[in-house]
Amino acid sequence: GEDVEQSLFLSVREGDSSVINCTYTDSSSTYLYWYKQEPGAGLQLLTYIFSNMDMKQDQRLTVLLNKKDKHLSLRIADTQTGDSAIYFCAEVIWGNTGKLIFGQGTTLQVKP
Amino acid sequence: NAGVTQTPKFQVLKTGQSMTLQCAQDMNHNSMYWYRQDPGMGLRLIYYSASEGTTDKGEVPNGYNVSRLNKREFSLRLESAAPSQTSVYFCASSEERGAAGELFFGEGSRLTVL
Repeated sequence: GEDVEQSLFLSVREGDSSVINCTYTDSSSTYLYWYKQEPGAGLQLLTYIFSNMDMKQDQRLTVLLNKKDKHLSLRIADTQTGDSAIYFCAEVIWGNTGKLIFGQGTTLQVKP
Repeated sequence: NAGVTQTPKFQVLKTGQSMTLQCAQDMNHNSMYWYRQDPGMGLRLIYYSASEGTTDKGEVPNGYNVSRLNKREFSLRLESAAPSQTSVYFCASSEERGAAGELFFGEGSRLTVL
């Protein structure tokens, strides 16, 4: 079946690293995404990784993919108060309408 | 560049009333989507339209209908609103359906059904 799981809440101090984890169940997933939702706004794409990659780095963001364990993580280095938001991981599945399956979202709270 | 525009942003309905959420995108995207967001449940796909003239059911279509009026516009209709439809609704669009295409979201429409 198709399911994406995330922990619901993470609290860190400003300047620390944040690691948001996600597990997915469909081994046919081809692309995995991280979206960010700020209060009162829609979701915005942060980054994505193709399933044949293990890691992708983009400035303060590092995405790690463990296909064997179906585990995806997003690391934010030097977390700032402006990073406070809800972070969603999502997978897209070939051969099934190409739809995105979203996790429940992880609320990141950054304390000054 | 407005991106994806949803109206209304807020709406309160009584059980049994009907309403239509409007969505328009100005990016010439082929695919459009309606999601609902509920606490602790992430986003769930209600309906999507892969291209003008086609619509398909998502995970939670019951109680909703959609119309892809043209390439720009994709509306979501609640014929007889129920309290279980209290939610935040997001419209999104993408150039391609699903696959590495980025989804662009509107700001959301917060609906309360009493």
